[in-house]
Amino acid sequence: NAGVMQNPRHLVRRRGQEARLRCSPMKGHSHVYWYRQLPEEGLKFMVYLQKENIIDESGMPKERFSAEFPKEGPSILRIQQVVRGDSAAYFCASSPVADNQPQHFGDGTRLSIL
Amino acid sequence: AQTVTQSQPEMSVQEAETVTLSCTYDTSENNYYLFWYKQPPSRQMILVIRQEAYKQQNATENRFSVNFQKAAKSFSLKISDSQLGDTAMYFCAFMKRGPGNTPLVFGKGTRLSVIA
Repeated sequence: NAGVMQNPRHLVRRRGQEARLRCSPMKGHSHVYWYRQLPEEGLKFMVYLQKENIIDESGMPKERFSAEFPKEGPSILRIQQVVRGDSAAYFCASSPVADNQPQHFGDGTRLSIL
Repeated sequence: AQTVTQSQPEMSVQEAETVTLSCTYDTSENNYYLFWYKQPPSRQMILVIRQEAYKQQNATENRFSVNFQKAAKSFSLKISDSQLGDTAMYFCAFMKRGPGNTPLVFGKGTRLSVIA
């Protein structure tokens, strides 16, 4: 019974490049959440998606960041033209369709910007 | 907007002893959930315990228990018989009750070290 799968585990990019982070939810889960964790900080909500639909993106930076959760395949968090301040751990969580379910987290992707 | 405050950046405890981690929160909601997550050095986020605000009884999971004081908006975590494997960052989190599902709001965490 696979949990939430995130890849890559580590990603290194140079300033100005694009970063793509992938998340496959737990089997049977149709809701995906992305969180960002800066060093020595708690996790901060970025975006909440269902299949083919963004439910809440109130935590997403207005520029360079986008997220999708297509009908087929994993959810993707995309960061264009990365800057040093994007260096962080990015966590994905998933939950079932029923209301008020606990979120199960992946192991995170650590993004480093050179 | 909800906020979660963990006022203890670091704590330490002797193996086999008991330790309590503090968490306070601010919300105008009446129905919500509270959680404690553990993040060991491997960086996984592991759900430790969950409390439903409409339940007065404090949640327990083996050596982990909470003291939930709704009026005071306080949600502390007690770890009994501490073990070396309990060494980790501990995050308190708040989730508004739906309809639907809502994002978690996290505190900044408390780094717990269990000393042999």
